[in-house]
Amino acid sequence: ETGVTQTPRHLVMGMTNKKSLKCEQHLGHNAMYWYKQSAKKPLELMFVYSLEERVENNSVPSRFSPECPNSSHLFLHLHTLQPEDSALYLCASSQGLTGANTEAFFGQGTRLTVV
Amino acid sequence: EDQVTQSPEALRLQEGESSSLNCSYTVSGLRGLFWYRQDPGKGPEFLFTLYSAGEEKEKERLKATLTKKESFLHITAPKPEDSATYLCAVQAWQDYKLSFGAGTTVTVRA
Repeated sequence: ETGVTQTPRHLVMGMTNKKSLKCEQHLGHNAMYWYKQSAKKPLELMFVYSLEERVENNSVPSRFSPECPNSSHLFLHLHTLQPEDSALYLCASSQGLTGANTEAFFGQGTRLTVV
Repeated sequence: EDQVTQSPEALRLQEGESSSLNCSYTVSGLRGLFWYRQDPGKGPEFLFTLYSAGEEKEKERLKATLTKKESFLHITAPKPEDSATYLCAVQAWQDYKLSFGAGTTVTVRA
């Protein structure tokens, strides 16, 4: 496998459910990201991890909980979401955070619908 | 705060009709400007990174240019398969955040 892989591709969950999104990167990168993409809005950075340590929590509600067990895997745990959380959730990775080679490579995303 | 504005919001082209997309930015010291292509329901696909004013990069029918205030993505003789949303993002020096624009959706009709 190559690139950045996200599962599931689609997810429908009720407001009282708990679910997790999974991301795996096969690029040997050291940084991983979660972005949220809502219709007609720019991508919003949610979380950043560098070498498995969180370096950014961009004022994200606590109902979103990230986990980075190693430099290849990233999870986003979801609980008691609201309908306005429905969006495309994108995982990305980059070689580093600053300096050269910071281009982010994205997964295909998880289309989340909260009902 | 870094700002990125893309125009137009949507662009409809006839196959073979060349055009340009604009990305205007405000950033406290540009480290890099990035162009991505995004197809419906998929994640953004990296196209180019531009680092300094005057720099140009090409890939097939796409050519990206950079000035101190804006970047252009030129599409030469587009084909229907070039239909997508094109995203622009900037990164400031010593900052890891990418600030994205809202994108330009390009539709190329055969």
